[in-house]
Amino acid sequence: GAGVSQSPSNKVTEKGKDVELRCDPISGHTALYWYRQSLGQGLEFLIYFQGNSAPDKSGLPSDRFSAERTGGSVSTLTIQRTQQEDSAVYLCARGTGGPFSGANVLTFGAGSRLTVL
Amino acid sequence: GNSVTQMEGPVTLSEEAFLTINCTYTATGYPSLFWYVQYPGEGLQLLLKATKADDKGSNKGFEATYRKETTSFHLEKGSVQVSDSAVYFCALSANSGNQFYFGTGTSLTVIP
Repeated sequence: GAGVSQSPSNKVTEKGKDVELRCDPISGHTALYWYRQSLGQGLEFLIYFQGNSAPDKSGLPSDRFSAERTGGSVSTLTIQRTQQEDSAVYLCARGTGGPFSGANVLTFGAGSRLTVL
Repeated sequence: GNSVTQMEGPVTLSEEAFLTINCTYTATGYPSLFWYVQYPGEGLQLLLKATKADDKGSNKGFEATYRKETTSFHLEKGSVQVSDSAVYFCALSANSGNQFYFGTGTSLTVIP
């Protein structure tokens, strides 16, 4: 989507390898979200950043998953020792609108499709 | 807690048919409600939103009304087109707009 760049767009890896997925919200919006979309499933929330801190990382499925954000801009989602069940599309979104406006809107990137063999 | 339940698909309609995709929600406080659409091969994009009770969101011929009494935000379109084929997600934002909760998505296919 316009305004959020994700890379790589496709990643095929072997089970047990580590992967890094990158998200650049381009215009440096304060709020940044990671979601996971598995085949036939809805959107699963992973983690939310406000600036460089993560007030809510309750959705990270295991300690193999971690994310960081530096400079209030680019974020990296890291999956260690990948498993086949990690195969999914990983979506990043930036939030627009003030944090207390109640009308925050998400703008999504095109996603990174991860396939773990 | 906060959650969204939407009609399961897939839905298949003929062109020019009337569309309704049901969405109900559970929320604490005063959520904003959204419909997002994901066209084949593309990312999710906002279709419409409503930020308070009785508001009607509309875009591209789609409409949804925020009904607090029935905790619903059903998506409707009077005459669908083939180009409307996509997956539609109902969502709400809570906690001062910082947290988002999505339904599981409803796949719509419109046939000529």
